[in-house]
Amino acid sequence: GAVVSQHPSRVICKSGTSVKIECRSLDFQATTMFWYRQFPKQSLMLMATSNEGSKATYEQGVEKDKFLINHASLTLSTLTVTSAHPEDSSFYICSARDIRQSYGYTFGSGTRLTVV
Amino acid sequence: GENVEQHPSTLSVQEGDSAVIKCTYSDSASNYFPWYKQELGKRPQLIIDIRSNVGEKKDQRIAVTLNKTAKHFSLHITETQPEDSAVYFCAASSAAGNQFYFGTGTSLTVIP
Repeated sequence: GAVVSQHPSRVICKSGTSVKIECRSLDFQATTMFWYRQFPKQSLMLMATSNEGSKATYEQGVEKDKFLINHASLTLSTLTVTSAHPEDSSFYICSARDIRQSYGYTFGSGTRLTVV
Repeated sequence: GENVEQHPSTLSVQEGDSAVIKCTYSDSASNYFPWYKQELGKRPQLIIDIRSNVGEKKDQRIAVTLNKTAKHFSLHITETQPEDSAVYFCAASSAAGNQFYFGTGTSLTVIP
């Protein structure tokens, strides 16, 4: 089945620094990947849609200059949290769709970001 | 955009009883409705899904029903077991938009 690898699984960073999270589709090509944020005991909130070779589409209220998304290849999308603050601490998770399937998305394992 | 509401937010049932979780959606263009199970700190796992061209789908102890007219769909778990305890999320998506919009989640506890 489709496998999505996300790295790192956990990261602790200082306020003001930037953190990059990678999302890779291991055995399929993904023209579209999605980035979600999940606060404790809350639902997954769609942040942005990452499109290979073009600009990401951000959901309303998500700062595109703070959450930089790059989807440079059919198997890799990255999310960079710039100038991180404690309120950015959250569980970030990506998902990707295998274009060979009409439906069906696979989630990455998630990244627990803690900003201190 | 799509708005998905989910109820209840928490649900406790005795082992062996049934559990029902309900979701409503707003966008009539949505045509794919998956359900995910998420254990603490882990990725969501797809447990069952339904497309708009059917009204019901069953997979062993799990079933999903869809009422497109009313824009609601439900997850039914029968003969619940302690390992069913987790947070369950419904979602809605359309083929055109590709994005998933998730419900707010239901924390299910199955009491042995």
